[in-house]
Amino acid sequence: ETGVTQTPRHLVMGMTNKKSLKCEQHLGHNAMYWYKQSAKKPLELMFVYNFKEQTENNSVPSRFSPECPNSSHLFLHLHTLQPEDSALYLCASSQARSGGGWDEQFFGPGTRLTVL
Amino acid sequence: AQSVTQPDIHITVSEGASLELRCNYSYGATPYLFWYVQSPGQGLQLLLKYFSGDTLVQGIKGFEAEFKRSQSSFNLRKPSVHWSDAAEYFCAVGPYQAGTALIFGKGTTLSVSS
Repeated sequence: ETGVTQTPRHLVMGMTNKKSLKCEQHLGHNAMYWYKQSAKKPLELMFVYNFKEQTENNSVPSRFSPECPNSSHLFLHLHTLQPEDSALYLCASSQARSGGGWDEQFFGPGTRLTVL
Repeated sequence: AQSVTQPDIHITVSEGASLELRCNYSYGATPYLFWYVQSPGQGLQLLLKYFSGDTLVQGIKGFEAEFKRSQSSFNLRKPSVHWSDAAEYFCAVGPYQAGTALIFGKGTTLSVSS
């Protein structure tokens, strides 16, 4: 596997279900991100993990719970979601630059989530 | 406030014609600028990036972009569009400190007519 992978690619769940999205980066990066992409809306940052520490949480409802067990893996745990949570969930990773700052973000293919 | 504006929601270009997608940003410091492309059902792929130096940046798939500080713009161009270029294009800006995320524009959908 290369780049950033996400599983599953498609997920349909009821509002009472609990499910998890998985992201894995094979690039040796040390920051990972979750974004939400809804129709007709700009990409919304959800969470940032920098060296496995959560550094940003963009006022995301508690029904979304991230987990970053190591610098290569990122999970998004889902429970009691609402139909308006249906969207494409994108994972990304990036690497610190030797001269300071960070390189560009590399994105996975996304998980298309449908909440019934 | 930091923001990215892509004024054109949807553009249609004939195959073989030139393309320019507009991007304006509002940012308090020297920005890092990016263009990404997204095909239907796919993630975002980086086309090109500007960190510093030459303001005309070359990217993949024959794309280029020019950073104009005086106009706060970073427009994407391609001299001859191919049908496979039909996709959604996103401009993004970031300070690129310690894992902070990019600020994305709302995107421009490009259609290519034959």
